[in-house]
Amino acid sequence: DVKVTQSSRYLVKRTGEKVFLECVQDMDHENMFWYRQDPGLGLRLIYFSYDVKMKEKGDIPEGYSVSREKKERFSLILESASTNQTSMYLCASSLRLVETQYFGPGTRLLVL
Amino acid sequence: EDKVVQSPLSLVVHEGDTVTLNCSYEVTNFRSLLWYKQEKKAPTFLFMLTSSGIEKKSGRLSSILDKKELFSILNITATQTGDSAIYLCAVDPDQGAQKLVFGQGTRLTINP
Repeated sequence: DVKVTQSSRYLVKRTGEKVFLECVQDMDHENMFWYRQDPGLGLRLIYFSYDVKMKEKGDIPEGYSVSREKKERFSLILESASTNQTSMYLCASSLRLVETQYFGPGTRLLVL
Repeated sequence: EDKVVQSPLSLVVHEGDTVTLNCSYEVTNFRSLLWYKQEKKAPTFLFMLTSSGIEKKSGRLSSILDKKELFSILNITATQTGDSAIYLCAVDPDQGAQKLVFGQGTRLTINP
């Protein structure tokens, strides 16, 4: 059974803090993605990775960085959190077929 | 710029009603269109559509794609309160970048 897990369901951080969001998949998928979801805006792609140590910017990479040191793990980093980064963050992974992305449960981040 | 637009953004109906959700798209190339349902957790996959005019069906849900007019609809008949969710439409623009373009989502509320 396909499984994507995220390290936290809820996080509360202060402005300026460094924030790490972790995502792990156990399906040996090549591709992993980080999205944020905001009301009325749908899902927006932040970064994705198509192989270990490889990454590409999505539509809204500003203020974020990522790390993929191992195939199963994809981390999203907020170097200095800001209030406009308060959002739901969703991780996903897929095999070669981009059509089917499997999503994690999401992390709801609140930046005060 | 690739774009996916869903309508309506929000819909409230009574249990037993039939609803139709719309998704229109503009992409440079097209490979597939996907529908997801998101409740309180991560989106779950509903349908993938690649060919015009072929209806996909799963229980009370069905979907069809029109590649000439560049839209898809998702129908839900005999709605139940458990159908309340955000429904997301996404398009694979086949850019080789292996990422989906999402719409804003339609928030569907079914009242008893």
